[in-house]
Amino acid sequence: DTGVSQNPRHKITKRGQNVTFRCDPISEHNRLYWYRQTLGQGPEFLTYFQNEAQLEKSRLLSDRFSAERPKGSFSTLEIQRTEQGDSAMYLCASSRGRANYGYTFGSGTRLTVV
Amino acid sequence: DQQVKQNSPSLSVQEGRISILNCDYTNSMFDYFLWYKKYPAEGPTFLISISSIKDKNEDGRFTVFLNKSAKHLSLHIVPSQPGDSAVYFCAASDSNYQLIWGAGTKLIIKP
Repeated sequence: DTGVSQNPRHKITKRGQNVTFRCDPISEHNRLYWYRQTLGQGPEFLTYFQNEAQLEKSRLLSDRFSAERPKGSFSTLEIQRTEQGDSAMYLCASSRGRANYGYTFGSGTRLTVV
Repeated sequence: DQQVKQNSPSLSVQEGRISILNCDYTNSMFDYFLWYKKYPAEGPTFLISISSIKDKNEDGRFTVFLNKSAKHLSLHIVPSQPGDSAVYFCAASDSNYQLIWGAGTKLIIKP
């Protein structure tokens, strides 16, 4: 197992376009999390899944953001009608159990909206 | 409202000496505290955690101290090594899924 994999590593898009990011978690981890990190700040929680169920999504930044984990394995995060303020690092993490045992993060997808 | 604060954006320490990174929090309901380390172009890596019912946890060169009355925790690295140069994040758990993060402290180990 090579850890949590995120694709693409970098994405440059024009304002108003839709983007989709993919996360492949560690295979035996049942929990998957999405965070956003902007420069000089710590990660900010967006949403999480336990298996295929999205158990918390109220922290998604707006209705332009959505996430799926259709078969309880990989997940996608979509941002519709991107805005310049969406430019950030989007981090995916997975864990076998509770958050306080520590997550394993991927390397992130850096989004730049021009 | 920043519930987890790391007030030092950066810290420079001589190789071989002790590095002490500090973190303050405001929410007394946090039940676990964690430290993560981040290198450029990589995701954060879990280092060490501590339950709110304990005051110290040690793992090799890393020790975390928790002072609940002061709502303060610290990470000690002894001895500091060049590979320890990174950004260190303090995070706190208030549920079984979400972590609340500080803004990070950049640690520079000087040879």
